[in-house]
Amino acid sequence: QSALTQPASVSGSPGQSITISCTGTSSDVGSSNRVSWYQQHPGKAPKLMIYEDTQRPSGVSSRFSGSKSGNTASLTISGLQADDEADYHCCSFAWPFSWVFGGGTKVTVL
Amino acid sequence: EVQLVESGGGLVQPGGSLRLSCAASGFTLSSYHMNWVRQAPGKGLEWVSYISFTNDIHYADSVKGRFTVSRDNAKNSLYLEMNSLTAEDTAVYYCAGDRDWAFQIWGQGTMLTVSS
Repeated sequence: QSALTQPASVSGSPGQSITISCTGTSSDVGSSNRVSWYQQHPGKAPKLMIYEDTQRPSGVSSRFSGSKSGNTASLTISGLQADDEADYHCCSFAWPFSWVFGGGTKVTVL
Repeated sequence: EVQLVESGGGLVQPGGSLRLSCAASGFTLSSYHMNWVRQAPGKGLEWVSYISFTNDIHYADSVKGRFTVSRDNAKNSLYLEMNSLTAEDTAVYYCAGDRDWAFQIWGQGTMLTVSS
């Protein structure tokens, strides 16, 4: 199973909005509502930010939102803040049974 | 506090074996499907294995036949037995509990280095 495709890096100024894309295939991203997004600060464990394509767990800021069109999922961070600087990983369930991650996107707050 | 704590990582020679453990506290492990996810130095995340709360098991192709996942609900613990290790298995190994098709709870990770 091939990794999902994410941009290596995305940057934005405080207060701006940025969007990270995650492209897969009809066997993973496009197959069902099972895309999730994780934030990972250096040296820390990943943290769930979005699940089932668009759902936000309790406690996660409403500045984080997920969407999907066809085989491409997206994570948007609005009102960018300094603490948003981290790596972001997308993940999708893939048929018949596996999980596939993207290569990760480094978000820099300018 | 809901927590997962991995242990058992270390330095192993190529071809060697190691067993990782993951202890849950603050919640019942049996209420989650459990996974191992690894991250090689400077790389992205890679899913390794899955065990459901009914003991349905799946592995990534990269570890199939070499790794064995198990759980002991009485001990609230998850395990990963790893054999025939190679340098490509060098990574931080995380245990992660999944619900709603996402990894909701993560441990802090344990480092495995395979080197002579």
